[in-house]
Amino acid sequence: KAGVTQTPRYLIKTRGQQVTLSCSPISGHRSVSWYQQTPGQGLQFLFEYFSETQRNKGNFPGRFSGRQFSNSRSEMNVSTLELGDSALYLCASSVPSSGANVLTFGAGSRLTVL
Amino acid sequence: DAKTTQPNSMESNEEEPVHLPCNHSTISGTDYIHWYRQLPSQGPEYVIHGLTSNVNNRMASLAIAEDRKSSTLILHRATLRDAAVYYCILREGSSGSARQLTFGSGTQLTVLP
Repeated sequence: KAGVTQTPRYLIKTRGQQVTLSCSPISGHRSVSWYQQTPGQGLQFLFEYFSETQRNKGNFPGRFSGRQFSNSRSEMNVSTLELGDSALYLCASSVPSSGANVLTFGAGSRLTVL
Repeated sequence: DAKTTQPNSMESNEEEPVHLPCNHSTISGTDYIHWYRQLPSQGPEYVIHGLTSNVNNRMASLAIAEDRKSSTLILHRATLRDAAVYYCILREGSSGSARQLTFGSGTQLTVLP
C-alpha cells in the first residue's frame, strides 16, 4: 500500500515568489492535514481538509492557503514568500471515520526561501 | 486547544526500558492519546494510541492514568534506532469537526550504546 506522497521533496524560491506543494494521501484516506516544521517553532498545524472542505485552520497568515480535490489529493500554496517561510512542510492523511484518526505522514517538502 | 507537556529530552541506555511521560490535563472525553516519533530527516511516524485502557503493540506500550490526565509511552528495550523526537498529541476521535492539532516540542530521546 503506497504511503503519503509529497512533491516536490526539495525546492528553492526567492522572496516574493509563490509556491505550491502537493500531497497525495493513502488510498481511501479522505482527511488531509498540513504542518510547518521549523527548528524554532517545531511542528505547527496549518490546516485540515476533509471531503474538499477546510475543517480547521491554524494561526497562519492568509498567504498560506490550501485546497483538496475530489480524489482527496491536496495542495497548499504560499504566496509572497518570506525568509521565515523556509521550513519542512509535512502532510498527513487519515480516515476520520476510523475513530482514532491515526495520522500517516509523508516525508515532507523542504522549502528554502532566499 | 488541548495541549500536552513533555520533557525536552531524555537519555536511555541501549537494551534498557524507557518511560516517556506526557501530561494532558485538559483532555476531553472524546480525545484519543496518540504518540508519534520523528527520526532525523523523516516525517513523523505513528507509534501507538489509546483512549482509556493501556495498550500494547509491537513497537511500544501505552500506559494511561485513570483520570486520563497523563500517559506514559514505554519502549521495553531501547535500541539505537529508537533515537528520535517523540510527540504526544491529543486527537479528536469522532468524524465531526476537527480542532487544531498541537504537537508541542516533543521529547528528544537519546539512546546510549
